[in-house]
Amino acid sequence: DTEVTQTPKHLVMGMTNKKSLKCEQHMGHRAMYWYKQKAKKPPELMFVYSYEKLSINESVPSRFSPECPNSSLLNLHLHALQPEDSALYLCASSQGLLKRQTNTEAFFGQGTRLTVV
Amino acid sequence: GQQLNQSPQSMFIQEGEDVSMNCTSSSIFNTWLWYKQDPGEGPVLLIALYKAGELTSNGRLTAQFGITRKDSFLNISASIPSDVGIYFCAGRLGAGNMLTFGGGTRLMVKP
Repeated sequence: DTEVTQTPKHLVMGMTNKKSLKCEQHMGHRAMYWYKQKAKKPPELMFVYSYEKLSINESVPSRFSPECPNSSLLNLHLHALQPEDSALYLCASSQGLLKRQTNTEAFFGQGTRLTVV
Repeated sequence: GQQLNQSPQSMFIQEGEDVSMNCTSSSIFNTWLWYKQDPGEGPVLLIALYKAGELTSNGRLTAQFGITRKDSFLNISASIPSDVGIYFCAGRLGAGNMLTFGGGTRLMVKP
């Protein structure tokens, strides 16, 4: 299994809703990432988990709350979002230790297309 | 912070033509990566480069890690319609550093 699976694929939510994005990988990767991607822009890093601990938070607003329940799962909890938060949210995973080998680089999921209304 | 300038921003070419795109940086990187992203999908890694001067091929794709470590290019030979998508370069300074992405090159291929 060489996939990163994200659910749901599409999500529409109101500004007062609470929702969660889910990401799962079974490659034994120990680093997992959340990225945000606006249309026609490159992915922007939000959070990094390394060995199930949050190691990087790129000054993301608290209305986005990540969670890593175990080494295979990564969640992103959403609450009180704004319309400008509408974007493609990408999850990625990689081996915990980068070894300058192609197979240690990050695999991306298909993303969740989020629309905030 | 570090910035990657990727060019061209978009290309509209005829099927069968060769394509070239590049990324330049104001600072050095020790790893260069090239990803392709199809509409509604996540980026897929095409080629990874780890040594200055390295030239690596993956089918019709060839990428090079610039000698100065501040640039990289990607060539696609004999383009086909399924090459359509957005190509991103990405650089990384060290094992503990995160990727810096270029702005992307949108490739369109006319059959």
